[in-house]
Amino acid sequence: EPEVTQTPSHQVTQMGQEVILRCVPISNHLYFYWYRQILGQKVEFLVSFYNNEISEKSEIFDDQFSVERPDGSNFTLKIRSTKLEDSAMYFCASRGQVGLLNTEAFFGQGTRLTVV
Amino acid sequence: ELKVEQNPLFLSMQEGKNYTIYCNYSTTSDRLYWYRQDPGKSLESLFVLLSNGAVKQEGRLMASLDTKARLSTLHITAAVHDLSATYFCAVAPHTGTASKLTFGTGTRLQVTL
Repeated sequence: EPEVTQTPSHQVTQMGQEVILRCVPISNHLYFYWYRQILGQKVEFLVSFYNNEISEKSEIFDDQFSVERPDGSNFTLKIRSTKLEDSAMYFCASRGQVGLLNTEAFFGQGTRLTVV
Repeated sequence: ELKVEQNPLFLSMQEGKNYTIYCNYSTTSDRLYWYRQDPGKSLESLFVLLSNGAVKQEGRLMASLDTKARLSTLHITAAVHDLSATYFCAVAPHTGTASKLTFGTGTRLQVTL
């Protein structure tokens, strides 16, 4: 069964460092997303990406964040200068094949980011 | 701004019992999803509800959607320990776009023997 894969599963970084979280969405999907979940809290939307550009972003997704789909398969989230409060589980998701736009989003297994 | 509320936030129930989790949302939507999350794991899709009156069942779980009341329910029948997890509802307000999911607060279900 096709799945969304994320790497790494766990990343520890020092405050102020840049991190790149990587995702390979399901290959025929059209829409891509990043969400985050602070420990014990609900899942929060960060950004959606369609047709090689950002469709929507939340207030959390400030200038420190960026996304890219560099090669047609990978979808990356970069945090330029990490802060302690960026510590969370980051989920990548994809959905939407041509003709099946109302399908659910499929989530990757997540990257746990710990900023120390 | 779309708000999604679930209750209860925590539910401890005995095996064999029935219970319902409620999901209320604040604006018009025609797409509602239920996900399950085990501790430290990803979100597993359970149900996709796309129209008023939609009802879907899988095993001991049944989900329904009332778009007029802006309410979805997840009913658990004869709970078993394996159902212990956190359950999230999520709402997408628009059809056919890249619109985001707005998640509820989650309901942590603990099924005891």
